Amino acid sequence: QSALTQPASVSGSPGQSITISCTGTSSDVGSYNLVSWYQQHPGKAPKLMIYEGSKWPSGVSNRFSGSKSGNTASLTISGLQAEDEADYYCCSYAGSSIYVFGTGTKVTVL
Amino acid sequence: QVQLVESGGGVVQPGRSLRLSCAASGFTFSTYSMHWIRRAPGKGLEWVAVISYHGSDKYYADSVKGRFTISRDNSKNTLYLQMNSLRAEDTAVYYCAIGGNTYFDYWGQGTLVTVSS
Repeated sequence: QSALTQPASVSGSPGQSITISCTGTSSDVGSYNLVSWYQQHPGKAPKLMIYEGSKWPSGVSNRFSGSKSGNTASLTISGLQAEDEADYYCCSYAGSSIYVFGTGTKVTVL
Repeated sequence: QVQLVESGGGVVQPGRSLRLSCAASGFTFSTYSMHWIRRAPGKGLEWVAVISYHGSDKYYADSVKGRFTISRDNSKNTLYLQMNSLRAEDTAVYYCAIGGNTYFDYWGQGTLVTVSS
């Protein structure tokens, strides 16, 4: 399974909105609305931010939102805050109990 | 509260074996599928393996199939990853995670495995 494609880095100023793309294929992202997104601060465990494309786990800010179009999923962070600076990964279910992660995006708050 | 604590990492020579453990608490371990996921130095996350709540169904990434074995002991609330024929490219931080429906609900802090001669 090949990794999903994400931009290496995205940056924005506090208060702005940014969007991270996650491009897969018709075998993963395009076949299932089952993309999840994870935030990872340096030296910390990843944290679930969005699941099943656009759903929020308990306790996650609604400044984070997910969407999908065709083979590309997206994570939008609105009202960017300093604490949002981290690495972000998408992950898609790819059938047969197999999962594939994205290449990861480093978000920088300017 | 939910806790996942990985252990068993360390430095191992290529071709040797290592067994990782993940001690779970704060939730009903026996009712959740569990995953192993890794992150190599300077690289992204890679899903490694999943085991069903009862332990009968197991699935692996192609990169570890035939070398790694996932297992669990529900009486001890513990998840395992037996890693054989280790390669340099298996060097990574290994995380255990609770399986949601098709996502990873909660992650441990990870244990570092270094494969080097």
